[in-house]
Amino acid sequence: AQSVTQPDIHITVSEGASLELRCNYSYGATPYLFWYVQSPGQGLQLLLKYFSGDTLVQGIKGFEAEFKRSQSSFNLRKPSVHWSDAAEYFCAVGENAGNMLTFGGGTRLMVKP
Amino acid sequence: GAVVSQHPSWVICKSGTSVKIECRSLDFQATTMFWYRQFPKQSLMLMATSNEGSKATYEQGVEKDKFLINHASLTLSTLTVTSAHPEDSSFYICSASDPGQGRRTQYFGPGTRLLVL
Repeated sequence: AQSVTQPDIHITVSEGASLELRCNYSYGATPYLFWYVQSPGQGLQLLLKYFSGDTLVQGIKGFEAEFKRSQSSFNLRKPSVHWSDAAEYFCAVGENAGNMLTFGGGTRLMVKP
Repeated sequence: GAVVSQHPSWVICKSGTSVKIECRSLDFQATTMFWYRQFPKQSLMLMATSNEGSKATYEQGVEKDKFLINHASLTLSTLTVTSAHPEDSSFYICSASDPGQGRRTQYFGPGTRLLVL
């Protein structure tokens, strides 16, 4: 069975600083990988996804993520964080046969002014 | 595109009553929808997979008689929490896969917060 680990429960960065959120997965085949963002009391918004091809994927709101098969990682990055980026971020892996998702525990991002 | 709505956005009910939550795909047809439950400051837990025209598939530990799922059309799935109790209070989120996107991407609704008194 697949699993997803987000090692950092909380991260605090200063506005304008760069950001990297870590995600490690365990899956037997080529994974479908996703990053979602959740603002308080809201549903999840898709930031970006990786299915195949270029291992560096661009998403919305200036986010990007890089798939590294050798490290089983799919870390999310942003060069300059904005206060509005404060939210909960979830990494997820999708299985090949169906389209069920397994989520990581989430990383709560706080942005200091 | 790929917009999913939920109704109601929040509900308060008395213990023992039943509550129905609707999940709609607004601009695409979804043969498969998913229901999740999220406790405060925790990740999403998949409850069940809802397939249009057939019975839902429930995850281990989820009572199918407690959480009734109906997927009567390609744009609507409903979750009914029967005889709700305070421990059922939670944030319920649905998602739907857009066949046009290859079915692999799930788009999420805004969630429904349920409080059982």
